Amino acid sequence: EAQVTQNPRYLITVTGKKLTVTCSQNMNHEYMSWYRQDPGLGLRQIYYSMNVEVTDKGDVPEGYKVSRKEKRNFPLILESPSPNQTSLYFCASSPRSGAETQYFGPGTRLLVL
Amino acid sequence: GENVEQHPSTLSVQEGDSAVIKCTYSDSASNYFPWYKQELGKRPQLIIDIRSNVGEKKDQRIAVTLNKTAKHFSLHITETQPEDSAVYFCAAPYTGGFKTIFGAGTRLFVKA
Repeated sequence: EAQVTQNPRYLITVTGKKLTVTCSQNMNHEYMSWYRQDPGLGLRQIYYSMNVEVTDKGDVPEGYKVSRKEKRNFPLILESPSPNQTSLYFCASSPRSGAETQYFGPGTRLLVL
Repeated sequence: GENVEQHPSTLSVQEGDSAVIKCTYSDSASNYFPWYKQELGKRPQLIIDIRSNVGEKKDQRIAVTLNKTAKHFSLHITETQPEDSAVYFCAAPYTGGFKTIFGAGTRLFVKA
């Protein structure tokens, strides 16, 4: 089944404790992206990747890192989480770019205390 | 700057009525305009999209119209049903199609 998966689905952590949210897709898509969703603000793009080893900043990259060592995986890294990073995070992928249908993962709800 | 404005933020309609949601974008080079539906607790899913070489696209009860001159596009839902209740997001690509900006969303309530 073609899909985008994320782990964990729910995470409670404390300020400053490094964490990684994984994202994987099995559709051989070149383009992958991370979004955060906050009430009243919609979906805001954190980082995107056009292909292996090619990443760029979205609108809200501060406090986040990403890597794209393999085509199928695009982990989101919070090196020193802060309470303002409490949010619902979605990973998405599309065949080649943001100018095509994006397929979203199930979401990761993060609470930073 | 890069922006997508979406209105209204909340929309309540009676079952069977029509609903219209509008979005305005700022980059005249944008050429792809999708609409996503997000049901409560679920992930966003594409419901319809349009490319800049057409002015209207229809799929059963939903349609999207595009006005490139005015830089706005709209989602039209006819004969609304309770299962249409959800949050709807518009989006537009920037930076050559790699960056994506979403509207803030419209929460649609369809009253039975």
